[in-house]
Amino acid sequence: AQSVTQLDSHVSVSEGTPVLLRCNYSSSYSPSLFWYVQHPNKGLQLLLKYTSAATLVKGINGFEAEFKKSETSFHLTKPSAHMSDAAEYFCVVTPMNTGFQKLVFGTGTRLLVSP
Amino acid sequence: EAQVTQNPRYLITVTGKKLTVTCSQNMNHEYMSWYRQDPGLGLRQIYYSMNVEVTDKGDVPEGYKVSRKEKRNFPLILESPSPNQTSLYFCASTGLVPTGGSGELFFGEGSRLTVL
Repeated sequence: AQSVTQLDSHVSVSEGTPVLLRCNYSSSYSPSLFWYVQHPNKGLQLLLKYTSAATLVKGINGFEAEFKKSETSFHLTKPSAHMSDAAEYFCVVTPMNTGFQKLVFGTGTRLLVSP
Repeated sequence: EAQVTQNPRYLITVTGKKLTVTCSQNMNHEYMSWYRQDPGLGLRQIYYSMNVEVTDKGDVPEGYKVSRKEKRNFPLILESPSPNQTSLYFCASTGLVPTGGSGELFFGEGSRLTVL
């Protein structure tokens, strides 16, 4: 069985300050993990993915995430927030190498960026 | 341009009136899937398809039907819509890793459905 917990429903930061969006997962199998971003009235776009290569994964727009097996976490970070980062972010888990039958989405974290 | 196209983007209908939401992708992806997004619940999978004529239930399939007669199209059918199906619906597709795909899900822009 798999599950994903996004620990914060909302995160507020000021422009130029670091961003941390937290995600914990549970998986019976070695997981693949993803972060997706959803801007208002848009579909979801892949930010980055972990599939058993390097544990520190770099994505688009300066985001990165670190897979920590011992902590079952996959937190998303960015050193300096930009106004355009304001969006909803979803952490997703699926068993590695078993296809996409059982993608499990977190409930989302809304990132608010103030000037 | 690589894309997943959903129609309609917005729809208001009444209970019991059959409707179809179309989904088409131009990337020759094997895998296609439908999700519904509701506040506080994230995205939940309705149905998915691993290839033509191969479909299976996701986590919330009740009240929905799908078909996959062609690789590019994956329509979502609500035979008798009810108010609890009011939601934002997303179609997504991907090329599967074993067949050379990236595994990245590509999403349509969503279809907001209101059932009165």
